[in-house]
Amino acid sequence: AQKITQTQPGMFVQEKEAVTLDCTYDTSDPSYGLFWYKQPSSGEMIFLIYQGSYDQQNATEGRYSLNFQKARKSANLVISASQLGDSAMYFCAIGYGGATNKLIFGTGTLLAVQP
Amino acid sequence: EPEVTQTPSHQVTQMGQEVILRCVPISNHLYFYWYRQILGQKVEFLVSFYNNEISEKSEIFDDQFSVERPDGSNFTLKIRSTKLEDSAMYFCASSEEIGADTQYFGPGTRLTVL
Repeated sequence: AQKITQTQPGMFVQEKEAVTLDCTYDTSDPSYGLFWYKQPSSGEMIFLIYQGSYDQQNATEGRYSLNFQKARKSANLVISASQLGDSAMYFCAIGYGGATNKLIFGTGTLLAVQP
Repeated sequence: EPEVTQTPSHQVTQMGQEVILRCVPISNHLYFYWYRQILGQKVEFLVSFYNNEISEKSEIFDDQFSVERPDGSNFTLKIRSTKLEDSAMYFCASSEEIGADTQYFGPGTRLTVL
C-alpha cells in the first residue's frame, strides 16, 4: 500500500537559516510524483514543489528545493533563508501516474520560524 | 493567476441536514477532486471526477456523498444527511492532466455539524 511518512511533528528554525523537512514514502509503483504543500494558519493548501519519479535532477522553486533520494524513498523539502512567513504546516504527498490520481498525504510538520 | 475558488468559506448545519459545497476549478483543468481534513489531522482523499463521472472514490465517500458538475464551471459536493463526524475542512482541487500532475487546491470550506 502507498504510504507517506513525516516523522517530525514540529520543527523550529531561526530566521534566515535553512531547514530540512523529512518525508519518506512507500510504493511499488514505478511512476509517481511527490508534492509538498504549505498550509498556513489561515487554512488554505498552497502548492510548493513537485518531483517526478523519473526526474534526474532535484526540483527547485525559488527558496524551496526537494532532496530526492529514490533508492532511499525519501523526498525531503529544504527551505533556504527561512522567513517569518514560512511558519506553517507542511505536508508531503504522493500521486500516481495512470488512472489513479488521488494524492496521499503525510501527517505534516509544523514549522515555526523564530526571529 | 488562475485559482480554485470555493463557497461558502464556512458552513454551519444541523445534524441530518443536507449541505452542498461549491467549487469553481481552474478553467482549463479537466480533473477535479474533493479532499477533507478533520481538525488537526492530515488531508484525506474523497473523490476524483473526470468527464462527468467519478474516476475514483475512497472508503469515506459513501452513499451520503455525491458530486456533480452542473454546468461548465461549477463542481459540487453534496452531503445528503450530515453527521457530527462530517465536521471538517473540505478542499476542492483541480489538475490539468491525470496521474501525477499538480493539483491546485481551493481555500476550503469549513463545515461544522451541530
